[in-house]
Amino acid sequence: GENVEQHPSTLSVQEGDSAVIKCTYSDSASNYFPWYKQELGKRPQLIIDIRSNVGEKKDQRIAVTLNKTAKHFSLHITETQPEDSAVYFCAASSEGKLIFGQGTTLQVKP
Amino acid sequence: DGGITQSPKYLFRKEGQNVTLSCEQNLNHDAMYWYRQDPGQGLRLIYYSQIVNDFQKGDIAEGYSVSREKKESFPLTVTSAQKNPTAFYLCASIASRANTEAFFGQGTRLTVV
Repeated sequence: GENVEQHPSTLSVQEGDSAVIKCTYSDSASNYFPWYKQELGKRPQLIIDIRSNVGEKKDQRIAVTLNKTAKHFSLHITETQPEDSAVYFCAASSEGKLIFGQGTTLQVKP
Repeated sequence: DGGITQSPKYLFRKEGQNVTLSCEQNLNHDAMYWYRQDPGQGLRLIYYSQIVNDFQKGDIAEGYSVSREKKESFPLTVTSAQKNPTAFYLCASIASRANTEAFFGQGTRLTVV
């Protein structure tokens, strides 16, 4: 079955710096890769997603890249702000089965 | 007001008792999921269902059971066979098998006392 590995588990950056979170997946049939943000005490919410026929997608300060050959995808946040502090989860979907990574706790220091 | 609702928010159970967590959605979504969230372990898939009267085991199904008798409802039973049931449980729904956004409930925190 699918296995998703996410790194790092914690990430601390200064406000204005960039943050990068990386994930690898095992099932070559996976074709959808969403990223979720979970603020403290709240439910996870989708921030960006990418499908397997696309290599990169950008939405304002966030971007996701996908390398199907290497089976890894990454989340890039530029110009980080304190409100970006949260837990971020990557996920991979194959045939409707949605598997999440272990999560990255991002702290943005003012 | 459309959405996905989990109840209760907090649940306490004595060891050896079964307990059922509720998940209801009025989004007309086909697929529903149950995840367990523990610190440092992300969201681990317990069970999922893509159509009514059908469901599949996830990675940590042992000690749990589900049913999908109605499209709107996907209750999770934590049985006494689950060795470490204290956790935060999240339910989610997705519109269809075509990969789209998952919407999450607010979660149920289960504590075994």
